[in-house]
Amino acid sequence: DQQVKQNSPSLSVQEGRISILNCDYTNSMFDYFLWYKKYPAEGPTFLISISSIKDKNEDGRFTVFLNKSAKHLSLHIVPSQPGDSAVYFCAASGYQTGANNLFFGTGTRLTVIP
Amino acid sequence: DTAVSQTPKYLVTQMGNDKSIKCEQNLGHDTMYWYKQDSKKFLKIMFSYNNKELIINETVPNRFSPKSPDKAHLNLHINSLELGDSAVYFCASKRQTNTEAFFGQGTRLTVV
Repeated sequence: DQQVKQNSPSLSVQEGRISILNCDYTNSMFDYFLWYKKYPAEGPTFLISISSIKDKNEDGRFTVFLNKSAKHLSLHIVPSQPGDSAVYFCAASGYQTGANNLFFGTGTRLTVIP
Repeated sequence: DTAVSQTPKYLVTQMGNDKSIKCEQNLGHDTMYWYKQDSKKFLKIMFSYNNKELIINETVPNRFSPKSPDKAHLNLHINSLELGDSAVYFCASKRQTNTEAFFGQGTRLTVV
C-alpha cells in the first residue's frame, strides 16, 4: 500500500522555464514532507522540506507548496537548469507513523533541455 | 568525509549464498535505515533502527536481518539469496523526527 504517490514518472522542461513536480499522500498522520534529488549511481540527497504547519517553503530556485486539505504537495523549480536533470523523490514522515520512518514516492525523472 | 558510507558499492553473487552489506554513519545520528530500490525504482523501507527499537517492515522476508554493533553502524545480512533480491540497497540515517535523512551511495546487488 503506497502512501506517497508521484503519478508522473517523467517530465521534460526547457531550460529557463518552470518545472513543477507533484506528489500526493494518503496518510493524514504525515506532518513533515521532503523532496530528494537523485543522480544515477548515487544515493538520494535532500533538497527541501516543509512542515505541515506551513503551506510554502522557499530555498533559492526551489519552492515547495503544501495543500493539506488535498493531501498534495508540489515542488517548483524556477528557472530550471540542465543540472537539475535527475530523479526527484517526494517523501513524508510523521512521529505517529512510527519510528521516524520516511515513506517515499516512486520518483519523477526531470529532464531539463538546454 | 563521507557522512553515510556503505560497502560494497557492487555485489554479484550466486543464488543460495549469504552476504552482508555494511553501513556506517559519522553524523552522530541515532536512527538508521535500510531501503530497497527495486526494478520499478520504488524506495521501500526495510528496517528502521535506533538504540531503543528495531522496526521491521512486515513484508521483508526473515532472510534479511539488520545487525547493529553500535550506534554508528547498521549492517544488512541476507541469507539464502534469491534472484528477486537483486536491487539497489540504500542505507540512511537521521537525527530525530521531522529532519531529513542522509543516504549512502547505494549497493547494487545482483543475484545470478
